[in-house]
Amino acid sequence: KAGVTQTPRYLIKTRGQQVTLSCSPISGHRSVSWYQQTPGQGLQFLFEYFSETQRNKGNFPGRFSGRQFSNSRSEMNVSTLELGDSALYLCASSLAPGPTSPLHFGNGTRLTVT
Amino acid sequence: QKEVEQNSGPLSVPEGAIASLNCTYSDRGSQSFFWYRQYSGKSPELIMSIYSNGDKEDGRFTAQLNKASQYVSLLIRDSQPSDSATYLCAAKGAGSYQLTFGKGTKLSVIP
Repeated sequence: KAGVTQTPRYLIKTRGQQVTLSCSPISGHRSVSWYQQTPGQGLQFLFEYFSETQRNKGNFPGRFSGRQFSNSRSEMNVSTLELGDSALYLCASSLAPGPTSPLHFGNGTRLTVT
Repeated sequence: QKEVEQNSGPLSVPEGAIASLNCTYSDRGSQSFFWYRQYSGKSPELIMSIYSNGDKEDGRFTAQLNKASQYVSLLIRDSQPSDSATYLCAAKGAGSYQLTFGKGTKLSVIP
């Protein structure tokens, strides 16, 4: 069974630009979550989608947005990039939201903002 | 603010010893707990989940949960150099089921 696939693996952008990251969940998984990982802050929750609806949103500015498509694939977008947005962005999927449904992570997209 | 706290380490243990990793959480309503392993430059990999008080064993790994003390731990028996990684503790709260991570404990197993 294929795992969570994230594209692209690496991105270099300039401050002020926008970026779109893509995530394909494990087949049959309908819930997708996004996390930002930095050395100082660790893994921070961005948002979670299920059945094309955003269920939860973390404490990030409105420049960070996402969506989920009918095939459960998800994208996240960051507009007006800032240097502090440089991070590893991780997508994770699970069968469905629920207390015992673990997250399975993709390999991440490493974003560098210059 | 729901928080998961871990000692950042590094925790160094000799090969063959037991490594003990600890985690506390602030949200008393948290229902389920997960341990992830993250090698440098890689993504987190699920190694254990635990939902009820007590111990849960899987091979060389044992997860322990004490909800009254809001404490979760992971024991790694017969530690191997390949266990050297950062171990992330995560708690899933009630209602939103959002998974909150600790900042991780870096484990070094010395040959």
